[in-house]
Amino acid sequence: DSGVTQTPKHLITATGQRVTLRCSPRSGDLSVYWYQQSLDQGLQFLIQYYNGEERAKGNILERFSAQQFPDLHSELNLSSLELGDSALYFCASSADRGAGGYTFGSGTRLTVV
Amino acid sequence: QKEVEQDPGPLSVPEGAIVSLNCTYSNSAFQYFMWYRQYSRKGPELLMYTYSSGNKEDGRFTAQVDKSSKYISLFIRDSQPSDSATYLCAIGSAGNNRKLIWGLGTSLAVNP
Repeated sequence: DSGVTQTPKHLITATGQRVTLRCSPRSGDLSVYWYQQSLDQGLQFLIQYYNGEERAKGNILERFSAQQFPDLHSELNLSSLELGDSALYFCASSADRGAGGYTFGSGTRLTVV
Repeated sequence: QKEVEQDPGPLSVPEGAIVSLNCTYSNSAFQYFMWYRQYSRKGPELLMYTYSSGNKEDGRFTAQVDKSSKYISLFIRDSQPSDSATYLCAIGSAGNNRKLIWGLGTSLAVNP
């Protein structure tokens, strides 16, 4: 167990629907990162939050949004889902704003049908 | 040109072999370098982390950074079937956003 908890582990939904993925960071970590991983694209950085504030944005679609709550857990909202959104979504956390590695959760596998 | 290039493999070796995995990068501003291991359907797990040029060893794993050539390597000695996984390099620069640039990953199979 890495200490980063993601729920749900699996999600199957229809095109056009909206889903919410949840992440609880490792205890003491202030930064949360969301990544999308598909077979042909590798790990794609979506967005980072630090202590409740958006810190960096990557290749996040406008249909996607995220937030980090006062208790530091984070949610990634995916709306108007398309078949191409099917992927593994990972959350990672880190301790501070300096250099260092991330700790990843085990991911949410999203299948859009 | 991608910021980080990594040969996706797949790489297949016999048990006990020495494995060499590599990434090249284009931006000399990158200051820290990591290797992650990802088993199928699991999250990436940090294996090695280094700031500077040179070698860093941890058990059977050695990370090597050559900043002048913008080239990083991960060596696995006495490879085991349990090393079968995808290995991703990640490279970053210091700063508040701590954004990492990721290689696509190299798939490794160690055959008993």
